[in-house]
Amino acid sequence: QKEVEQDPGPLSVPEGAIVSLNCTYSNSAFQYFMWYRQYSRKGPELLMYTYSSGNKEDGRFTAQVDKSSKYISLFIRDSQPSDSATYLCAMSGGGSYIPTFGRGTSLIVHP
Amino acid sequence: EAQVTQNPRYLITVTGKKLTVTCSQNMNHEYMSWYRQDPGLGLRQIYYSMNVEVTDKGDVPEGYKVSRKEKRNFPLILESPSPNQTSLYFCASRGLAGGHEQFFGPGTRLTVL
Repeated sequence: QKEVEQDPGPLSVPEGAIVSLNCTYSNSAFQYFMWYRQYSRKGPELLMYTYSSGNKEDGRFTAQVDKSSKYISLFIRDSQPSDSATYLCAMSGGGSYIPTFGRGTSLIVHP
Repeated sequence: EAQVTQNPRYLITVTGKKLTVTCSQNMNHEYMSWYRQDPGLGLRQIYYSMNVEVTDKGDVPEGYKVSRKEKRNFPLILESPSPNQTSLYFCASRGLAGGHEQFFGPGTRLTVL
């Protein structure tokens, strides 16, 4: 079992839908949780960053961490075609600077 | 502008012909890393470096070498490339103080025939 599991999709939704992207993990030492967005032919860029448990909101994006369930989520409200990308979760902690990445979920938002 | 640059962006080569992919960052970051990205497998770390002259293996180091002689540069060397090293390669960097954000380069698409 991989340390971080992420469904690769693709996930196809209509414009305006609420999108839920998820990752599960097995290492209870993880404390830093990140979501990266990667457009086609580009490098990943940090979208959201959360320390420990709880929610963080930034515009249409909400990151949620449930450490008791070892489960993190990224919600996108009012999704737009420009949100079409691959979303990678990443996490680190336990004294390690090295993040562990999920495989990424491909999201397609169609007009 | 803060950035990570990689060169070349695209490369087609033949089996056994040594090549180097350069990576440079202008943010004075201590930590630098190389990843390869393959369909269905996601990002896999090849090598990383915590500072000058300090390098260590990641998850898939076989067939690759790196060096860190200067803080800003972290080249990836394939001494005898093989077709299974055909992939999309990313260099990344981050500072060790503050947050955990990694900054990624634009990627190098390598094809080994």
